[in-house]
Amino acid sequence: DIQMTQSPSSVSASVGDRVTITCRASQGIGSYLVWYQQKSGKAPKVLISVASVLQSGVPSRFSGSGSGTDFTLTISSLQPEDFATYYCQQAQSFPLTFGGGTKVEIK
Amino acid sequence: QLQLQESGPGLVKPSETLSLTCIVSGASISSSSYDWGWIRQPPGKGLEWIGVILYSGTTYYNPSLKSRLTISVDTSKSHFSLKLSSVTAADMAVYYCAEYRRSLGSFDPWGQGTLVTVSS
Repeated sequence: DIQMTQSPSSVSASVGDRVTITCRASQGIGSYLVWYQQKSGKAPKVLISVASVLQSGVPSRFSGSGSGTDFTLTISSLQPEDFATYYCQQAQSFPLTFGGGTKVEIK
Repeated sequence: QLQLQESGPGLVKPSETLSLTCIVSGASISSSSYDWGWIRQPPGKGLEWIGVILYSGTTYYNPSLKSRLTISVDTSKSHFSLKLSSVTAADMAVYYCAEYRRSLGSFDPWGQGTLVTVSS
């Protein structure tokens, strides 16, 4: 199975800050990486697929990069509605696996 | 627009079978365009992939659940289902159904989720 490791597990930031979350795969997954945002009590929502393709309707302050084993989700200027937990998921092969999540909290 | 809604008992006894249904609206579940999946999230913890069922009927399961798990589609009733046998407290979680976007490997959209408690 491909293990997905996210870091940090939590980050405290202020509105306007640039936030970077990393996701590392235990083996190469090409660009088959999905990022989700989950707000408290809600289902996850896709932000980015294929490592860097922004889903329709997702603000441009979100961006994704990387390939192979190392990936990054960046929020260029944190907004109040961005406080949530973010998960990566490898989509390269079954069993599909998620990272442990990164909680973005208000500083 | 596709919408999904999980349905099923919120309380299951240990050793019994957990049965959930995902009701699909806004599209024909029998269409060859759609694949489906289940994901769960224990309280306060991260996401765990349970399994997917492709239009062809092919299923892929989490190896840790495979011996207890069945995912099926009922096209006549516009729903797909999950059955997990011999549940324990470790199976307590919010269970989500979702469309599996095979070309991207992503889940989108998701149902709102349903909490299943395992307790006698």
